[in-house]
Amino acid sequence: AQSVTQLDSQVPVFEEAPVELRCNYSSSVSVYLFWYVQYPNQGLQLLLKYLSGSTLVKGINGFEAEFNKSQTSFHLRKPSVHISDTAEYFCAVSDLDGNKLVFGAGTILRVKS
Amino acid sequence: DVKVTQSSRYLVKRTGEKVFLECVQDMDHENMFWYRQDPGLGLRLIYFSYDVKMKEKGDIPEGYSVSREKKERFSLILESASTNQTSMYLCASSLPPSSPLHFGNGTRLTVT
Repeated sequence: AQSVTQLDSQVPVFEEAPVELRCNYSSSVSVYLFWYVQYPNQGLQLLLKYLSGSTLVKGINGFEAEFNKSQTSFHLRKPSVHISDTAEYFCAVSDLDGNKLVFGAGTILRVKS
Repeated sequence: DVKVTQSSRYLVKRTGEKVFLECVQDMDHENMFWYRQDPGLGLRLIYFSYDVKMKEKGDIPEGYSVSREKKERFSLILESASTNQTSMYLCASSLPPSSPLHFGNGTRLTVT
């Protein structure tokens, strides 16, 4: 079975500063990895995904993530955040059947002006 | 664009009531899911379905059941609602194996 640990429950950051949201996973099999974002009072939407190939994945809104197999990590980064990036971010992992997605507890990103 | 529609945005029910949460998707996806979202716990899978009339338990199925009579509709049933089932419920759908989940906007259920 897979599990996901998001190492920070909240990350406060000033506008235009860089940010990194950390995610570690555990699995005995190969996995797919995802980051989702949830804006206030909305459902989740996909930010980016790693299925195979290049370990650096680019997503929407200027976000990117790097898959590190040896460290079992999939950290999310953005070089310069905006107020509109304030949201909760979820890391998730599934096996290659893709039938069950396991989510981390979430990281709330608060961007301050 | 895939649309996943949950029938109620907010719901208030009394302890012991039978509660139905409905979810409809319009993209012919095989997989449908019900998650529960609680602060600090992320999303936890209650049940999922990979075909009509097929269902599998997720991580926290106790106190819940599901029904999938048609491909586009997946219902979550609380047989006898309890206060510890007060939560945000999220429905999602996907095409296996690697397509991402598409989520509805959620139903915030309060059981009093």
